[in-house]
Amino acid sequence: KAGVTQTPRYLIKTRGQQVTLSCSPISGHRSVSWYQQTPGQGLQFLFEYFSETQRNKGNFPGRFSGRQFSNSRSEMNVSTLELGDSALYLCASSFYRGETQYFGPGTRLLVL
Amino acid sequence: GENVEQHPSTLSVQEGDSAVIKCTYSDSASNYFPWYKQELGKRPQLIIDIRSNVGEKKDQRIAVTLNKTAKHFSLHITETQPEDSAVYFCAASPGQMDSSYKLIFGSGTRLLVRP
Repeated sequence: KAGVTQTPRYLIKTRGQQVTLSCSPISGHRSVSWYQQTPGQGLQFLFEYFSETQRNKGNFPGRFSGRQFSNSRSEMNVSTLELGDSALYLCASSFYRGETQYFGPGTRLLVL
Repeated sequence: GENVEQHPSTLSVQEGDSAVIKCTYSDSASNYFPWYKQELGKRPQLIIDIRSNVGEKKDQRIAVTLNKTAKHFSLHITETQPEDSAVYFCAASPGQMDSSYKLIFGSGTRLLVRP
């Protein structure tokens, strides 16, 4: 099976812009979670989607949002970008909620 | 709030020696504990995981132990090799069938195996 894929892999934006990141889970996986990885804060949970519904959200401002489609693909959106949003954004998929999570390669976002 | 503490932050061992990384979690409802290895520029990869109904799990040179009473779990790597050099993350989760399912990660341990 193909692994989790994320697009784009790299992105440069300026403050105030918005960005949309995409995640395609492993075929058959229905749960998608998103994480932010930074040198200072480590790996932090953003949100989890299952059956097109956000099931859980981490401690991030409302500028961070996401959605999941009927084919389990997921997108996350960050509006009004800030310098501190520069990070590696990782998505992870699992067959079902609570099952083993497999990570994608991440999207590295740089905000200038 | 929910928290996972991981120690040490860096660990340097001689090839062939053992390495031990320890984590402590705060949420007593946690019942799933995966370990991920992340090489530079790569995605985190699951190396082993354990659920709370098991005290120990082994996979070749890697083992994880869990003490639910003390809320501790540890990763043990024996006969270390240079390719084991990476950052290792522990995580804890309430597990399946919980409305607050998510992974809470430790801060990571940078392991260096000296040839």
